[in-house]
Amino acid sequence: NAGVTQTPKFRVLKTGQSMTLLCAQDMNHEYMYWYRQDPGMGLRLIHYSVGEGTTAKGEVPDGYNVSRLKKQNFLLGLESAAPSQTSVYFCASSYSTSGVINTGELFFGEGSRLTVL
Amino acid sequence: AQKVTQAQTEISVVEKEDVTLDCVYETRDTTYYLFWYKQPPSGELVFLIRRNSFDEQNEISGRYSWNFQKSTSSFNFTITASQVVDSAVYFCALSEAWGGQNFVFGPGTRLSVLP
Repeated sequence: NAGVTQTPKFRVLKTGQSMTLLCAQDMNHEYMYWYRQDPGMGLRLIHYSVGEGTTAKGEVPDGYNVSRLKKQNFLLGLESAAPSQTSVYFCASSYSTSGVINTGELFFGEGSRLTVL
Repeated sequence: AQKVTQAQTEISVVEKEDVTLDCVYETRDTTYYLFWYKQPPSGELVFLIRRNSFDEQNEISGRYSWNFQKSTSSFNFTITASQVVDSAVYFCALSEAWGGQNFVFGPGTRLSVLP
């Protein structure tokens, strides 16, 4: 059982380049999230999705786009990378045991380290 | 709005000492969930515990224990007889149940357990 898988694990970009991070989960979870982790700032939510075809902005959405075309996949895109987007990105998924109430803990991928030069 | 504060940025203890990591949260909801995660040097995030707002019983799991006090909006984590393998960054997190698919994390506390 793979859980949450992120690809790629490492990437170096030049300013202005674009890229997509792929997150895949095999637990049939409804909710998926993208976080970024920076030193001293914990994890900050970029975008999240409460189901296939839906996405919503989190705390720090600027410069990122997302898509959830399939329930198991959540893509994070950087259209024009900036050095401020150098970070470790974590994807997570969670479940609900009671309809709209989000009761589940987050299951995280291993992280993707992105460096923008 | 939700907020989680972990006032201790870094803590160092000597092996076998007990250590408590503080977590204070803010929320307007009456139904919410609190979590602790561990991030060892390898970088992955490991789930430790979930507690809902209606369950104020303290919980013990081996050397780990959690003290949830709604009156002070705190959810503190104690490690008894710490070990070197406990060295990690520990995150406290809050999720509001209704319409709150947004998990909010504290900034983390880096715990170093010295041999």
